[in-house]
Amino acid sequence: EADIYQTPRYLVIGTGKKITLECSQTMGHDKMYWYQQDPGMELHLIHYSYGVNSTEKGDLSSESTVSRIRTEHFPLTLESARPSHTSQYLCASSESGEGYTFGSGTRLTVV
Amino acid sequence: SQQGEEDPQALSIQEGENATMNCSYKTSINNLQWYRQNSGRGLVHLILIRSNEREKHSGRLRVTLDTSKKSSSLLITASRAADTASYFCAQGNFNKFYFGSGTKLNVKP
Repeated sequence: EADIYQTPRYLVIGTGKKITLECSQTMGHDKMYWYQQDPGMELHLIHYSYGVNSTEKGDLSSESTVSRIRTEHFPLTLESARPSHTSQYLCASSESGEGYTFGSGTRLTVV
Repeated sequence: SQQGEEDPQALSIQEGENATMNCSYKTSINNLQWYRQNSGRGLVHLILIRSNEREKHSGRLRVTLDTSKKSSSLLITASRAADTASYFCAQGNFNKFYFGSGTKLNVKP
């Protein structure tokens, strides 16, 4: 059973709203990641962190931001949601880089 | 892009048959991993093969790695309807991994 939790599971929100997608893990992993995935498509790395106070942008440009104040918590924020942000967002963590544990994802719809 | 490619994009087989899917990548790697994703869910780690390994087994799964060709294959033997899912390979170093677009496997009962 995965020990990484994402909330909410589904979110429908209006254009222009600020949203935060939560991701928490109980495994004490230093490395955490956010991926964006459109249905049936590849995963794109949008943010990652190697530890507290460390955050980096991934290979896919994203208007979202992240923070890593605590080891177990890696929230993703969109200041002003747009329909182009509609997607599934997957959070993952890793201890050694030899295997990711993924959360169940947040499916975001911006109307 | 550093992302690899899975092939085929979709595969439909009968229960009991073997399923083979392939992955090609572009850069040197420390290890390569295979994941499974059920529709609309997160990914589940299946198996990891290190760059100095050529073959690895786990239950009904067999993974091969050819670093000279920058390719890997995943074989699922005696498939079951419950194996229906998308399968992704992830390759990279210890810090970042890149995923392809996956192979969508449908196992018909």
